[in-house]
Amino acid sequence: DTGVSQDPRHKITKRGQNVTFRCDPISEHNRLYWYRQTLGQGPEFLTYFQNEAQLEKSRLLSDRFSAERPKGSFSTLEIQRTEQGDSAMYLCASSLGATPNTEAFFGQGTRLTVV
Amino acid sequence: DAKTTQPPSMDCAEGRAANLPCNHSTISGNEYVYWYRQIHSQGPQYIIHGLKNNETNEMASLIITEDRKSSTLILPHATLRDTAVYYCIVRSQGGGADGLTFGKGTHLIIQP
Repeated sequence: DTGVSQDPRHKITKRGQNVTFRCDPISEHNRLYWYRQTLGQGPEFLTYFQNEAQLEKSRLLSDRFSAERPKGSFSTLEIQRTEQGDSAMYLCASSLGATPNTEAFFGQGTRLTVV
Repeated sequence: DAKTTQPPSMDCAEGRAANLPCNHSTISGNEYVYWYRQIHSQGPQYIIHGLKNNETNEMASLIITEDRKSSTLILPHATLRDTAVYYCIVRSQGGGADGLTFGKGTHLIIQP
């Protein structure tokens, strides 16, 4: 499968625990995006990378959230001290190039449940 | 702020063409119209995009009006598997989310 891969697909954690999600983009895609989606809403932007540089962060990305893309390939999204409000689907997408004429492809997401 | 307006839901009979409208009256000259869909519990799936000309691929056709203020996504022969939420996005260079900002979309239900 050469699409965007996310791991794990599902995660259940207790409130206060830290969690980390991984995203493997399509090979050679230099842009990588993280989104969050809650029930009944469209995906909401969190942050994106151009290669290893984090170019933009949404106000949704509180200081408990951190994202990295150390070698410009895979990326991780960590949530520290999880809260019940963090329960959501976390989506990763990647694209080749930096123009609006290049489509972004999404992974299947990681569904986080905080209990 | 949402740049597009879509009906919250639509029905279509299986085998018929599904025509999903999108209003983007404030679109700028360098902004593209993108369509994605999301089947329940899956990630969004890219469908098609265009600037000013009509576009067609194996999944759908995109018809953009001459003034570019609205567009229609056409699924020519809808099947039950086309039941999904369809998102119309106006995408520009840079800007928040690199221009890839989702609204609430249209929930398309294909009826047998």
